[in-house]
Amino acid sequence: AQKVTQAQTEISVVEKEDVTLDCVYETRDTTYYLFWYKQPPSGELVFLIRRNSFDEQNEISGRYSWNFQKSTSSFNFTITASQVVDSAVYFCALSVPSGSARQLTFGSGTQLTVLP
Amino acid sequence: ETGVTQTPRHLVMGMTNKKSLKCEQHLGHNAMYWYKQSAKKPLELMFVYSLEERVENNSVPSRFSPECPNSSHLFLHLHTLQPEDSALYLCASSQDKGGHPNTEAFFGQGTRLTVV
Repeated sequence: AQKVTQAQTEISVVEKEDVTLDCVYETRDTTYYLFWYKQPPSGELVFLIRRNSFDEQNEISGRYSWNFQKSTSSFNFTITASQVVDSAVYFCALSVPSGSARQLTFGSGTQLTVLP
Repeated sequence: ETGVTQTPRHLVMGMTNKKSLKCEQHLGHNAMYWYKQSAKKPLELMFVYSLEERVENNSVPSRFSPECPNSSHLFLHLHTLQPEDSALYLCASSQDKGGHPNTEAFFGQGTRLTVV
């Protein structure tokens, strides 16, 4: 069975601070994908990034960066110089093979509030 | 515009009512999903349709009945719901490639359901 743990339920930072959202996962599969999604107040989940289990290179996209470490089963997400518009719930998710269709196992989410 | 449209955005229904949630995807994907998001709980996968066939049913009560008439449309028919069924219901789609690397799922904005 798969499991994704986001231990931080809520985080508050002041604008321009850096913030890291933690994600720890569990799976017995050797092939899997990890995702981060953002859920703004409007409700939809917005895709941010996908990484496969064979690619441990860290990735940077603008103010966003991700640190994937298989040794600790972690896939952490850092926002640099946070902005008020970054306020949202962020979900980490894991995808493994499941027959003819894939499913995502989500963590419980981290509510990020960026204060002006 | 995420490419996945859900209607209605908000729904209030009594326990004896029958209603339907609608999802439409404009992305040419071949898999569609229903998720339930309750307060302070991880997203729960309810149903998966791949190539218009139901491939996953995660022990969802029979008062929820999905329908996938074609690859672009997905419905969730609701009848005799309970107050604990109140939640945000999210539809998603993806391009399922079977044993090949997964692509990300695109989500709609959800239907906020309140059962009174």
